[in-house]
Amino acid sequence: QKEVEQDPGPLSVPEGAIVSLNCTYSNSAFQYFMWYRQYSRKGPELLMYTYSSGNKEDGRFTAQVDKSSKYISLFIRDSQPSDSATYLCAMRPRGTPLVFGKGTRLSVIA
Amino acid sequence: GAVVSQHPSWVICKSGTSVKIECRSLDFQATTMFWYRQFPKQSLMLMATSNEGSKATYEQGVEKDKFLINHASLTLSTLTVTSAHPEDSSFYICSANPGFTGELFFGEGSRLTVL
Repeated sequence: QKEVEQDPGPLSVPEGAIVSLNCTYSNSAFQYFMWYRQYSRKGPELLMYTYSSGNKEDGRFTAQVDKSSKYISLFIRDSQPSDSATYLCAMRPRGTPLVFGKGTRLSVIA
Repeated sequence: GAVVSQHPSWVICKSGTSVKIECRSLDFQATTMFWYRQFPKQSLMLMATSNEGSKATYEQGVEKDKFLINHASLTLSTLTVTSAHPEDSSFYICSANPGFTGELFFGEGSRLTVL
């Protein structure tokens, strides 16, 4: 079993839809959880960062962490074509490098 | 968020030459930087952890003599691909952590093409 599992998609949704992206993990030592957005030929851009169970909201984005189930989610409301990108979940214990999911390719169709 | 700058963003070189890629933290000091490699449509693969003032820690399977990492200051780490070959062609990305949080910020990446 890989440490972080993420469905690679691709995921295609109409403009304005709510997008749900998910990752599961097996290492209970993970403390920090991040979601990155990566456009083609660009470095990953940090979207959301959290270190506790529960929800964190930033504009159209909501990150959700459930440590008891080892499950994290990213919700995108009112999705736009500009949201089309690959979304990577990442997590790590304290003081160690990030472990990434494989990334989910999202297309938002106008 | 914190800014990490990478240069060059794109480089083409001949087989057998060496290429240096710079990674700078622009608005914070980073005692640790990370170097990743990414193949098309794949996730990021950690190559090494760069520590200021000491030797880098390489991941299993990464040739330290091929990929030289130097972290000479708290704001600069360099990756030198020595005697590059076409199979070294890839997207190389650095990242750094400001230290006061668990967040990790990435540079824009450097695309290396070896002819």
